[in-house]
Amino acid sequence: DADVTQTPRNRITKTGKRIMLECSQTKGHDRMYWYRQDPGLGLRLIYYSFDVKDINKGEISDGYSVSRQAQAKFSLSLESAIPNQTALYFCATSDWQETQYFGPGTRLLVL
Amino acid sequence: AQSVTQLGSHVSVSEGALVLLRCNYSSSVPPYLFWYVQYPNQGLQLLLKYTTGATLVKGINGFEAEFKKSETSFHLTKPSAHMSDAAEYFCAVSDRGASTGRRALTFGSGTRLQVQP
Repeated sequence: DADVTQTPRNRITKTGKRIMLECSQTKGHDRMYWYRQDPGLGLRLIYYSFDVKDINKGEISDGYSVSRQAQAKFSLSLESAIPNQTALYFCATSDWQETQYFGPGTRLLVL
Repeated sequence: AQSVTQLGSHVSVSEGALVLLRCNYSSSVPPYLFWYVQYPNQGLQLLLKYTTGATLVKGINGFEAEFKKSETSFHLTKPSAHMSDAAEYFCAVSDRGASTGRRALTFGSGTRLQVQP
């Protein structure tokens, strides 16, 4: 089984809808992250969490929110989706040496 | 603030040729440095990393990278390209935030490697 899982893997939604992307990990890491990937821009950090009670904004947090339900679960929400949030979203965890372990990604299309 | 620059969004080499992917970074403190690879329709996988110690780091699939502090570089190389190396490669840097002391990762924009037969 994969160490970091993401659901759904693909999602199509309409402008204005609220959606949630979920991430679970079995690596036992405290640190979890959400990134978005756009062609030519690499990965950009949306939010990160160093433990259940510690959540921080990344460089592009506007329009997004997160919830850390447990050590193993970190969800990303788009309260009111807009077309420029169409992207590939990755969840990751990291160990104490900052090595990050990525999920398979969620491809989101906002119409 | 840290930043990562990858020169060349696309690199094409012949099978068997040297692979050189360039990465330069800016960081106010000694960084941790990483190379990740992304195959089509997959997430990112760690190729190699530098934290401390030996500046020449060997990774998986025959790749290696050298940390050069004076040049603020961490270029990725492989002596002989294979068709299976075709993928997108990301350099990343992690340094300690001034206020929190915690590390965050910043990625470069990626280099797509094509391997011609």
